[in-house]
Amino acid sequence: GAVVSQHPSRVICKSGTSVKIECRSLDFQATTMFWYRQFPKQSLMLMATSNEGSKATYEQGVEKDKFLINHASLTLSTLTVTSAHPEDSSFYICSARSDHLKRYEQYFGPGTRLTVT
Amino acid sequence: RKEVEQDPGPFNVPEGATVAFNCTYSNSASQSFFWYRQDCRKEPKLLMSVYSSGNEDGRFTAQLNRASQYISLLIRDSKLSDSATYLCVVTRLRNTGKLIFGQGTTLQVKP
Repeated sequence: GAVVSQHPSRVICKSGTSVKIECRSLDFQATTMFWYRQFPKQSLMLMATSNEGSKATYEQGVEKDKFLINHASLTLSTLTVTSAHPEDSSFYICSARSDHLKRYEQYFGPGTRLTVT
Repeated sequence: RKEVEQDPGPFNVPEGATVAFNCTYSNSASQSFFWYRQDCRKEPKLLMSVYSSGNEDGRFTAQLNRASQYISLLIRDSKLSDSATYLCVVTRLRNTGKLIFGQGTTLQVKP
């Protein structure tokens, strides 16, 4: 149980285009979803936290107009990278937690590798 | 200064060796502590939670020292399959669920 999927797993896009990444909790309702970014040989950095039906809370230094997060249901959150540039190339990982499961445990999606050319 | 600090390694050890990783955290308000494992180009997976009393799961032992703000992970009888990056993770506040990740320590177990 507690499976999180992400789609797509890999995406290559041209500079200036927008890319949408989906994160779904498959067998539980996610109270909260988190979006992380990881550059090579670096730590996972939390970008934003989102609760269903409310606006996402962004970490300091993350542009909310560039990284649009929509958490429309208890099983789906989307991250849209708008006007992507090569420096946005990274590994984007979502995670989800539920108040009805182990309280502090987050269940991670398999990640999306974005390459902007 | 990073909130969670780890020696990135890599640690190269032979099969069967015992290896220990350390981690320090700077925020004394940190509430919960974990070790995650991350394989190359994959998502992190929870290895174990860490408690002040220490906890053991098979070949893995984790320890927390709140006074020193120090967390450790000991792996006994290393296997080739233990090769991965081990991430030290803390949560700051009990009710937000936000995880703060260390950079990770890379372990390579050689035959």
